[in-house]
Amino acid sequence: EPEVTQTPSHQVTQMGQEVILRCVPISNHLYFYWYRQILGQKVEFLVSFYNNEISEKSEIFDDQFSVERPDGSNFTLKIRSTKLEDSAMYFCASTGTGSSEAFFGQGTRLTVV
Amino acid sequence: KQEVTQIPAALSVPEGENLVLNCSFTDSAIYNLQWFRQDPGKGLTSLLLIQSSQREQTSGRLNASLDKSSGRSTLYIAASQPGDSATYLCALPRGTGTASKLTFGTGTRLQVTL
Repeated sequence: EPEVTQTPSHQVTQMGQEVILRCVPISNHLYFYWYRQILGQKVEFLVSFYNNEISEKSEIFDDQFSVERPDGSNFTLKIRSTKLEDSAMYFCASTGTGSSEAFFGQGTRLTVV
Repeated sequence: KQEVTQIPAALSVPEGENLVLNCSFTDSAIYNLQWFRQDPGKGLTSLLLIQSSQREQTSGRLNASLDKSSGRSTLYIAASQPGDSATYLCALPRGTGTASKLTFGTGTRLQVTL
């Protein structure tokens, strides 16, 4: 069964460092998303991406964040200068055109120290 | 702004019981509703997607219902098993397009005991 894959599963970084979280969405999907979940809190939307551009972003997605689809398969989230409050589980998701069912990856746990 | 609430926040039942999880939403102009399962420290597994035109959707021991007019959805789990222990989340897209962001509920943490 097709699935969304994310790497790494866990990343520890020092405050102020740049991190790149990687995702491979389901191959025939066209809509891509990043969400995050701070420990004990709700899953929150960060950004959606379609046709090589951001279609929507939340107030959380400030200038420190960027997304890119560098090739035909990868979808990345970059955080330029990490802060302690960026520590969270980051989820990638994708949806297709025929159905709006969202499929999520297993997440990357980002720990900023 | 869509607000999604799930009650109860936590539930513990003995194995074999049937149970109902509740999801309430404030804006009834929805496109669909999706139920997910999340194991501790893990990702989100899609369980059921119920379209706004449907009233029910079934998958195995799971049955989701949707009542748009009252802003409610329920997830019914029949004959619960210890392996069903997880957090269950409901989520709704804003708007009607496939590119819509999901708004998640707070989740119900289910424990099924032997």
